[in-house]
Amino acid sequence: AQSVAQPEDQVNVAEGNPLTVKCTYSVSGNPYLFWYVQYPNRGLQFLLKYITGDNLVKGSYGFEAEFNKSQTSFHLKKPSALVSDSALYFCAVRDGRGNNDMRFGAGTRLTVKP
Amino acid sequence: DTGVSQDPRHKITKRGQNVTFRCDPISEHNRLYWYRQTLGQGPEFLTYFQNEAQLEKSRLLSDRFSAERPKGSFSTLEIQRTEQGDSAMYLCASSSGLVNEQFFGPGTRLTVL
Repeated sequence: AQSVAQPEDQVNVAEGNPLTVKCTYSVSGNPYLFWYVQYPNRGLQFLLKYITGDNLVKGSYGFEAEFNKSQTSFHLKKPSALVSDSALYFCAVRDGRGNNDMRFGAGTRLTVKP
Repeated sequence: DTGVSQDPRHKITKRGQNVTFRCDPISEHNRLYWYRQTLGQGPEFLTYFQNEAQLEKSRLLSDRFSAERPKGSFSTLEIQRTEQGDSAMYLCASSSGLVNEQFFGPGTRLTVL
């Protein structure tokens, strides 16, 4: 079965600095990879996805992620963090063979300090 | 607002009672998912519908849990004989295809006393 690991419970960065939120995955077939963000008292919001094609995918709010097959990673990045980016970020993976069971990581809390 | 909606947003119940939650997906989405999220964890898949057919169920979905999507539109999740361990946020999501992202509702927070 597929699984996702987010090795950092918390990431702290200063406003204006680049940020990275790490994600590694395990899946039998080709991975479908997703990043979601969760703000307090709000539902999960989709940021970006990798299905196939270019390894670098761009998403909402200036976020991007790089698919690295050899390292089985899909790290989320942003060149310049904003205080408003502070939230809980979830990486998720689905097996491309058609399994509808999408597995989420435990989440990483990003705090951007002014 | 044409997003996914869930009702109620909060439910407090006593152990042993039955509860039912409703999810209204985005209207053109044929796929509907239920997840459970506990504090400090990511969402855990419970079950999946394509139109009115329930096609997948997680091992997490014990026989006290039942879900329906009778006309391929809204869905209900019922928990019978609730236990304190059922306390969690129950999330509903919908999508229009396997490779497409899922859109999540705000969730129903269940507290079992």
